[in-house]
Amino acid sequence: AQTVTQSQPEMSVQEAETVTLSCTYDTSESDYYLFWYKQPPSRQMILVIRQEAYKQQNATENRFSVNFQKAAKSFSLKISDSQLGDAAMYFCAIPLLIQGAQKLVFGQGTRLTINP
Amino acid sequence: NAGVTQTPKFQVLKTGQSMTLQCAQDMNHEYMSWYRQDPGMGLRLIHYSVGAGITDQGEVPNGYNVSRSTTEDFPLRLLSAAPSQTSVYFCASSNREGINEKLFFGSGTQLSVL
Repeated sequence: AQTVTQSQPEMSVQEAETVTLSCTYDTSESDYYLFWYKQPPSRQMILVIRQEAYKQQNATENRFSVNFQKAAKSFSLKISDSQLGDAAMYFCAIPLLIQGAQKLVFGQGTRLTINP
Repeated sequence: NAGVTQTPKFQVLKTGQSMTLQCAQDMNHEYMSWYRQDPGMGLRLIHYSVGAGITDQGEVPNGYNVSRSTTEDFPLRLLSAAPSQTSVYFCASSNREGINEKLFFGSGTQLSVL
């Protein structure tokens, strides 16, 4: 079965430091997009970053960057200079083939705590 | 800028009751979807639609019905609520098929089934 796995249910980091959240997946597709979404306590889901699988260059959005290893099927999110506002649940999401159609599947989530 | 609007925000049902969760978007998006969020399980896709008149099942469709009569609206119906349907429900839309595009989410509906 095709899956998306976030193996870290919880992570914590000191303010201003760097933290990396991991995500692995299993897909037979060759061309696809990968996403990281953030869910703060407000519950609103917010897109953090998107990566195109056919691009070798890792995506970057300000303090957020990804480490995409296509062969290893790994898609980690690095947050630099962590801020208190980064505290949230983080979900990776990847299209997987389910019942004959591609559907966007989310990982289990990682709860990130920022320590002042 | 309404975006994706979900109603109600909170709902308590008794086992066996039926109800409809409403979702509307004003961005003329073709793709709309419903997810449920449960602790430790992330978001799981219930049903989705790629346009008016077209719907399909997601990962966990049992116990839920949907229809898409207009581009704007995508209601989710619980025919006979069960305690296992206690969850937070999110509606999301995007301007194409949703697979490779940014999803715009509603603010969620917290549903409790007693």
